[in-house]
Amino acid sequence: DTAVSQTPKYLVTQMGNDKSIKCEQNLGHDTMYWYKQDSKKFLKIMFSYNNKELIINETVPNRFSPKSPDKAHLNLHINSLELGDSAVYFCASSWSIAGVPYEQYFGPGTRLTVT
Amino acid sequence: KNEVEQSPQNLTAQEGEFITINCSYSVGISALHWLQQHPGGGIVSLFMLSSGKKKHGRLIATINIQEKHSSLHITASHPRDSAVYICAGETSGSRLTFGEGTQLTVNP
Repeated sequence: DTAVSQTPKYLVTQMGNDKSIKCEQNLGHDTMYWYKQDSKKFLKIMFSYNNKELIINETVPNRFSPKSPDKAHLNLHINSLELGDSAVYFCASSWSIAGVPYEQYFGPGTRLTVT
Repeated sequence: KNEVEQSPQNLTAQEGEFITINCSYSVGISALHWLQQHPGGGIVSLFMLSSGKKKHGRLIATINIQEKHSSLHITASHPRDSAVYICAGETSGSRLTFGEGTQLTVNP
């Protein structure tokens, strides 16, 4: 059983399109994250949800909108795709209790290519 | 300047060598994470530590809170250890700030 899964694994689309990436975790965790890994392989947090509530919202264009229908799912919708959005997007999940750090479990990543 | 700095950026070793990757951070953190990214792209959490030292098989991670420094050691390195190793500092709200990663290549 895959702990954190993402679909699709690869996504190739044209500039201006709208696309979504889905993430699901079956670990029972209460917190989920979206990270972006750029062409230089540098990872950066985008969003974090705890029990369906947005708790981290980094400086990300508002073309990116996360949605958490329940605590096992965190989807990422991107409007009006731009060339610079090409990257690998990773979903992750963990427990989160105030002041207590927990290991994060990562999905396999979604490679988005905007042409 | 990144809040989390790793060194070296690239490291090539011969099989069997002892390997050390260093991580320094400039902010207060609640924990330091070491991650491994395989050539296929998947990311695996190796360690999470707030103090002292942790060991798992041939991997050892240490942290010195006063010096804001952590090290990842690999003993008896093997070609299958070839990967990118990433350290990340955790701050409030489970926010991870990542280093730029160390590309390790272990030759047979």
